[in-house]
Amino acid sequence: EDKVVQSPLSLVVHEGDTVTLNCSYEVTNFRSLLWYKQEKKAPTFLFMLTSSGIEKKSGRLSSILDKKELFSILNITATQTGDSAIYLCAGTSYGKLTFGQGTILTVHP
Amino acid sequence: DADVTQTPRNRITKTGKRIMLECSQTKGHDRMYWYRQDPGLGLRLIYYSFDVKDINKGEISDGYSVSRQAQAKFSLSLESAIPNQTALYFCATSAGTGDPDTQYFGPGTRLTVL
Repeated sequence: EDKVVQSPLSLVVHEGDTVTLNCSYEVTNFRSLLWYKQEKKAPTFLFMLTSSGIEKKSGRLSSILDKKELFSILNITATQTGDSAIYLCAGTSYGKLTFGQGTILTVHP
Repeated sequence: DADVTQTPRNRITKTGKRIMLECSQTKGHDRMYWYRQDPGLGLRLIYYSFDVKDINKGEISDGYSVSRQAQAKFSLSLESAIPNQTALYFCATSAGTGDPDTQYFGPGTRLTVL
């Protein structure tokens, strides 16, 4: 059975802090690792990672994949209150996603 | 207009009732999915369809059925709703070619079964 585990499950920080969210996976016939941000309702796509060691970056967010150790991290620098959300990672295999439980990030002013 | 729409957005029903949740998309994607989200459990796959004639069970299909009426429409039914089906339900789509992994989600339906 495919499994994706995220840590920590929740995190409270202050504006300006840097955070690192973790995602480990055991997915048969793994193809890619996706990160989503979920604020009010629908998850919105952040990154797709397919190759080890190649960092993807979008503004203050960055992510990297390690296919040997089977994990990914999502970094957020200089956090803002608008970064408060649930962050979900998912491993893909044959077009299906297996999601982790999510990390609830709360950023205080 | 939203690319993936779901109706209704909220629904309260009673145990034993039949419920249908509907999903429509204008993205032109071949693949469609239904998930449920419960606190602390992430999103779990209920059913998925890679084209109009293809229906597959996901991780938690018991108690649910689906219908793919057209490329753009995918409905989820609860034949006889029970309280532990209270959850947030999401429809998602992805392209069949190019980038088949990235899924795009609808706004969700919050279902409460009393």
